[in-house]
Amino acid sequence: EDQVTQSPEALRLQEGESSSLNCSYTVSGLRGLFWYRQDPGKGPEFLFTLYSAGEEKEKERLKATLTKKESFLHITAPKPEDSATYLCAAGGSNYKLTFGKGTLLTVNP
Amino acid sequence: DTAVSQTPKYLVTQMGNDKSIKCEQNLGHDTMYWYKQDSKKFLKIMFSYNNKELIINETVPNRFSPKSPDKAHLNLHINSLELGDSAVYFCASRAKAEYNSPLHFGNGTRLTVT
Repeated sequence: EDQVTQSPEALRLQEGESSSLNCSYTVSGLRGLFWYRQDPGKGPEFLFTLYSAGEEKEKERLKATLTKKESFLHITAPKPEDSATYLCAAGGSNYKLTFGKGTLLTVNP
Repeated sequence: DTAVSQTPKYLVTQMGNDKSIKCEQNLGHDTMYWYKQDSKKFLKIMFSYNNKELIINETVPNRFSPKSPDKAHLNLHINSLELGDSAVYFCASRAKAEYNSPLHFGNGTRLTVT
């Protein structure tokens, strides 16, 4: 069975303090690794898709990387508006996306 | 201009009642999904339709029945509601039933069963 594990469950940073979120996956035939951002009371918002080990993608202060077993979401010099839950999901050899439980990021001013 | 819209946003009802949640997408996507997010924020897939055909049917009680009248709509009907059904239900769509295209989510329906 496909599994996705995210760590830490919660992360509190000061504004400008860079850090990384981790996503470990066990998926049969990975077709894509997805990162989403979820704000309270909203649906997940798509950020990135990574397809193969070694791939990197960037968007503003966020950079996602992928290895054969893990993905990292690096947050550089975060701002309070980056506070949200970040979800990782893996797409395997079926039509499903299996989600992790997410990391709740809080950035204090 | 909302891409994936769900109604209602909030639904409070008593045990034993029957209720429906509606979802519509205007993205022209072929595939739609229902996900359940429990109190621990864990998103779990329930159903998926591709061009009105059911392609994913996870281990979900028979009280839950999806219906797709056309590829832009996917509704969820729940019979005999139980306390454990309380959760946020998300509708999502995808361009094709492909492995590597992202899901686009609605803003959820918070169901509370009392």
